[in-house]
Amino acid sequence: AQKITQTQPGMFVQEKEAVTLDCTYDTSDQSYGLFWYKQPSSGEMIFLIYQGSYDEQNATEGRYSLNFQKARKSANLVISASQLGDSAMYFCAMRGDGSSNTGKLIFGQGTTLQVKP
Amino acid sequence: GAGVSQSPSNKVTEKGKDVELRCDPISGHTALYWYRQRLGQGLEFLIYFQGNSAPDKSGLPSDRFSAERTGESVSTLTIQRTQQEDSAVYLCASSLGTGDEQYFGPGTRLTVT
Repeated sequence: AQKITQTQPGMFVQEKEAVTLDCTYDTSDQSYGLFWYKQPSSGEMIFLIYQGSYDEQNATEGRYSLNFQKARKSANLVISASQLGDSAMYFCAMRGDGSSNTGKLIFGQGTTLQVKP
Repeated sequence: GAGVSQSPSNKVTEKGKDVELRCDPISGHTALYWYRQRLGQGLEFLIYFQGNSAPDKSGLPSDRFSAERTGESVSTLTIQRTQQEDSAVYLCASSLGTGDEQYFGPGTRLTVT
């Protein structure tokens, strides 16, 4: 069975500083994808970044980077130069990419990030 | 282009009533997913449709939950005899194909009183 664990219910960061949101996962699939989504108080789910299990380079998207450590089964999100608008709930998710998989996403419980001015 | 739309945005219903939630995927997206998000929790997968293939219903929590999709168009999620534990936000997502990036709708907030 696939599982995502986010151990930080809430995090604070000072504006303009970097912050790391933790995510560990468990799967028996050889091929899988890891995602991070942002959910502001408005409720929409905003895709941030994707890492494939066979990607050798860590994914980066602007101020977002994914610290992928396959042997440790971790996929931490790093947000650099935090902005007030980064305050939101952040979800780590996994998708199995084997031939029998349907593409459904398995989500963690989320981390609430608050950026202080 | 238009994103995923869902209706209604909010629904308040009495315990025991049936409700129907609607999702309009992005045009051309063959895959459609329903998820449930309880307050302060992550999203739970409910059901998946891909074209005319048999849906993956493995996430439906009980036989009170059902969903339909005609071809690659609109999907409806029906909850019969609603219970208070059904109160949640129901999110729909669509993707071009299985394994492609999922685009989420704004959700329907269901409150069962």
